[in-house]
Amino acid sequence: DSGVTQTPKHLITATGQRVTLRCSPRSGDLSVYWYQQSLDQGLQFLIQYYNGEERAKGNILERFSAQQFPDLHSELNLSSLELGDSALYFCASSVGGGSETQYFGPGTRLLVL
Amino acid sequence: LAKTTQPISMDSYEGQEVNITCSHNNIATNDYITWYQQFPSQGPRFIIQGYKTKVTNEVASLFIPADRKSSTLSLPRVSLSDTAVYYCLVGPDTGGFKTIFGAGTRLFVKA
Repeated sequence: DSGVTQTPKHLITATGQRVTLRCSPRSGDLSVYWYQQSLDQGLQFLIQYYNGEERAKGNILERFSAQQFPDLHSELNLSSLELGDSALYFCASSVGGGSETQYFGPGTRLLVL
Repeated sequence: LAKTTQPISMDSYEGQEVNITCSHNNIATNDYITWYQQFPSQGPRFIIQGYKTKVTNEVASLFIPADRKSSTLSLPRVSLSDTAVYYCLVGPDTGGFKTIFGAGTRLFVKA
């Protein structure tokens, strides 16, 4: 158990819908990262927040947005969902914002039908 | 950002030592080298991190030559449970960091 929690574990929705994925970092960690992993694909970095501020951005679609709240939990919002958005979404946290060890959550499996 | 290159896949047998090499020719002065392990449908797990020379922990060793343009993850006496994807990452120690995992190396350990 990494100490990072993600909810929900599984999510099934339809195209065009909007969903919110939630992540609670390890106690004391200030950075939260979001990743997308499609079937048989590598991990794609989406975005990083550090202490409530966006710190780094990957190839995150405009339909996707994220935020980190004052209590340091984070949410990833996915809207106008398409079939290709079906994937595992991982959240990770670290103490700081550089190359510190990232601790990954169990992931949320999203299926868009 | 320093790009990394790893073998796509490797096979080994139980009890053997496995060495996975990662190339990162344009590594920057303040970049660290980090390795993660990922099992199917699970999030990656940190294995080891280093800056130069050799680092060893209870799981693996990491060898980094003086020019730091490559690194080698060494897994001693692998078991079937070491079958996983191994990722090499390079990034700065501070600041914003676009974590690039790449395709990783699929290690398959056979009995």
